[in-house]
Amino acid sequence: DQQVKQNSPSLSVQEGRISILNCDYTNSMFDYFLWYKKYPAEGPTFLISISSIKDKNEDGRFTVFLNKSAKHLSLHIVPSQPGDSAVYFCAVTRNNNDMRFGAGTRLTVKP
Amino acid sequence: GAVVSQHPSWVICKSGTSVKIECRSLDFQATTMFWYRQFPKQSLMLMATSNEGSKATYEQGVEKDKFLINHASLTLSTLTVTSAHPEDSSFYICSALRIQTQYFGPGTRLLVL
Repeated sequence: DQQVKQNSPSLSVQEGRISILNCDYTNSMFDYFLWYKKYPAEGPTFLISISSIKDKNEDGRFTVFLNKSAKHLSLHIVPSQPGDSAVYFCAVTRNNNDMRFGAGTRLTVKP
Repeated sequence: GAVVSQHPSWVICKSGTSVKIECRSLDFQATTMFWYRQFPKQSLMLMATSNEGSKATYEQGVEKDKFLINHASLTLSTLTVTSAHPEDSSFYICSALRIQTQYFGPGTRLLVL
């Protein structure tokens, strides 16, 4: 969906280091933003979300940052662990409807 | 909390037959559920939005007579692929909306021979 772009199809990080996954969106009307993690042949698992009234939300090793003026969303994972290796999708939504997904970024965390 | 199940997890059928996939929210009620399809190495494609007690809303290009959706209760939505053909082979995933977050089922792999 061109409304949501994850420009890096893949990312490789050393265990213990920080993983930064990026996402850009085009429509300033989106008001809720989410990150999902997906393993092959499984449904996405909800990780963390942030509403448009905030610019940061933290949950354990996962932090999501929102830059509304730049229409940019990022997910930081620190420290990265091998079990974090998966495809990460960002998703944006407006008024609880019409969730749009990015194409995903495959994260590989090397031991 | 917020667990969504799908059944079956995989199905193989002959061309021309119909296949029903169930999506259940196990520990919450969901007025709205969604059906997605994922092609290999691609993102999730929204097929339709399923609303309890009313007709589903289909995305552009999705044939509503081919992909029948029924949302008969607050915990169950079904997707029936009618007269399935090999090009319908795909990974189908449902989600259920709780507050502002969609929670996804594990997916159903459909192979039409």
